Amino acid sequence: DARVTQTPRHKVTEMGQEVTMRCQPILGHNTVFWYRQTMMQGLELLAYFRNRAPLDDSGMPKDRFSAEMPDATLATLKIQPSEPRDSAVYFCASGLVDGGRYNEQFFGPGTRLTVL
Amino acid sequence: AQSVTQLGSHVSVSEGALVLLRCNYSSSVPPYLFWYVQYPNQGLQLLLKYTTGATLVKGINGFEAEFKKSETSFHLTKPSAHMSDAAEYFCAVSGGSNYKLTFGKGTLLTVNP
Repeated sequence: DARVTQTPRHKVTEMGQEVTMRCQPILGHNTVFWYRQTMMQGLELLAYFRNRAPLDDSGMPKDRFSAEMPDATLATLKIQPSEPRDSAVYFCASGLVDGGRYNEQFFGPGTRLTVL
Repeated sequence: AQSVTQLGSHVSVSEGALVLLRCNYSSSVPPYLFWYVQYPNQGLQLLLKYTTGATLVKGINGFEAEFKKSETSFHLTKPSAHMSDAAEYFCAVSGGSNYKLTFGKGTLLTVNP
């Protein structure tokens, strides 16, 4: 049963600390998305990658957030320094774009981040 | 650019009653439309999607939705609610070649015994 995995599932940290969230997309998927979910803003797209290349990170605060795909099996989202307003659930999703045909995005279970 | 409006942040129905969750979208290109469900402390799971072809699409757990271009709507229905349907439901739209999803704010469905 292929699934998107995310680690850690929960993270509590203090303001100013670096936070790294990891995502393992489904094997064979070529597109990875990072979303943030908060009560106030709902689900927001932060960034996404196709074949490991960043296509759009316009939803991400550039001064403190960074997203990378070191290889096809790992995507990372870093926050440095973290702030209380970054407290949210961060979801990773992966999908396969195949010859222009769109397939669904599969979501991971999320990382619940609390910044004190 | 795309946007999604879900009418009603909270819908409450009785078990066995019709479920109707409303979604209207805006898109400058032919849209792909989706409904996702989120159970507490879990990720999102796809219920159904419309890409092309038949405008009435059937999904998992007895849900279906109809794409109405003239009304820019994609409402989600289920004839008979079950207690296990209690969750938050998100409508989403994607358009063009970027495959990004734009989500609505979500509708929390409560099912009363």
